[in-house]
Amino acid sequence: EVQLVESGGGLVEPGGSLRLSCAASGFPFSNAWMTWVRQAPGKGLEWVGRIKSKRRNETIDYAAPVKGRFTISRDDSQNMFYLQMSDLRSEDTAIYFCTTTVMVTGFDHWGQGTPVTVSS
Amino acid sequence: SYELTQSPSVSVSPGQTAKITCSGDALTKKYAYWYQQKQPGQAPVLVMDEDDKRPSGIPERFSGSSSGTVATLIISGAQVEDEADYYCFSTDRSGSLGVFGGGTKVTVL
Repeated sequence: EVQLVESGGGLVEPGGSLRLSCAASGFPFSNAWMTWVRQAPGKGLEWVGRIKSKRRNETIDYAAPVKGRFTISRDDSQNMFYLQMSDLRSEDTAIYFCTTTVMVTGFDHWGQGTPVTVSS
Repeated sequence: SYELTQSPSVSVSPGQTAKITCSGDALTKKYAYWYQQKQPGQAPVLVMDEDDKRPSGIPERFSGSSSGTVATLIISGAQVEDEADYYCFSTDRSGSLGVFGGGTKVTVL
């Protein structure tokens, strides 16, 4: 059974940092492209960024609002996927989901999400 | 930056057809994907893959198409349980950047 479990969310002050983790199981993680998606309160889904597999050189792309502040990484030996967030702003307050494609090319598996609140 | 545009809401009676559109310049070259989210903050569910491919477990009343710069999700014979927010997703022309549409709230009553 495919499982994605996020952790690391919480309350952080503006300008602070936080690292989110996503533990993956039940599928060949090293071949998977992994993506972070967020949803701010009362807002729609927002693509945050994606890391490709090692076979694709672990190419990383970021959405404009987070580029230069967020860093995506992966550890294939541990089946872990990360989002390092720095210089956090109130507009980064959201539920953060990790997601991937396993059986099809769309995001067919999602974690439960982890909430991040940026506030003083 | 690249954007996908969806109409904010669609309302139908049970058994009627709901049509949701998503427009974006790159849709002439890139696939559209559709996600259903029944509650904000709940993990979305993929209901349409690569424009018109229905994933396993998705009811046959869901269908998709894409023509030119517009992708369409159709719910034929909508049910009350189909009430949800629906988001389209695609990438820019380079394939590097992902983007979601703003979402369409489908009401069935």
